[in-house]
Amino acid sequence: QKEVEQDPGPLSVPEGAIVSLNCTYSNSAFQYFMWYRQYSRKGPELLMYTYSSGNKEDGRFTAQVDKSSKYISLFIRDSQPSDSATYLCAMSASGANSKLTFGKGITLSVRP
Amino acid sequence: NAGVMQNPRHLVRRRGQEARLRCSPMKGHSHVYWYRQLPEEGLKFMVYLQKENIIDESGMPKERFSAEFPKEGPSILRIQQVVRGDSAAYFCASSPKTEAFFGQGTRLTVV
Repeated sequence: QKEVEQDPGPLSVPEGAIVSLNCTYSNSAFQYFMWYRQYSRKGPELLMYTYSSGNKEDGRFTAQVDKSSKYISLFIRDSQPSDSATYLCAMSASGANSKLTFGKGITLSVRP
Repeated sequence: NAGVMQNPRHLVRRRGQEARLRCSPMKGHSHVYWYRQLPEEGLKFMVYLQKENIIDESGMPKERFSAEFPKEGPSILRIQQVVRGDSAAYFCASSPKTEAFFGQGTRLTVV
């Protein structure tokens, strides 16, 4: 079993839809949870960073962490064509600045 | 404040040659990480360095790969005697204490 599993894609939604992206993990030592967005042929860009369980909201983005289920989610409200990218979940036991373990990523396409 | 700078952006090497990838962290960042992204794969951790020290190299292949972060100058990821399987995007990230910020990557193609 991989340490981090991410829903396979690709995912295509119409503009304005609510998008739900999910990852599960097996390592109970993970305490820090991140979502990165990566446009084609670019570097990953940090979207959300959460410590331990709970919710965090930033504009149209909401990150949820459920440590009891080892499950994290990223919700995108009112999705826009500019949200079309690959989304990567990442996790760490020691802090967001230490070794990160990534999911494989899911490619999202938002249709105008 | 410039972001994490990686160069070159694209590198083509013949099998058996050496590849040198450079990474200049963001100003004030003392932690540097290297990750590799193979086609259809997520990012895989390779090595974590601070100035003049390797902190964690648990993701580095045992042979042909080395990394350094000298007191002055950029961090260098060096791949000796490259093989076709080394073709990938190599990303560097830097961090002050919390979030990690990634560069645009170097795309290595071995022909």
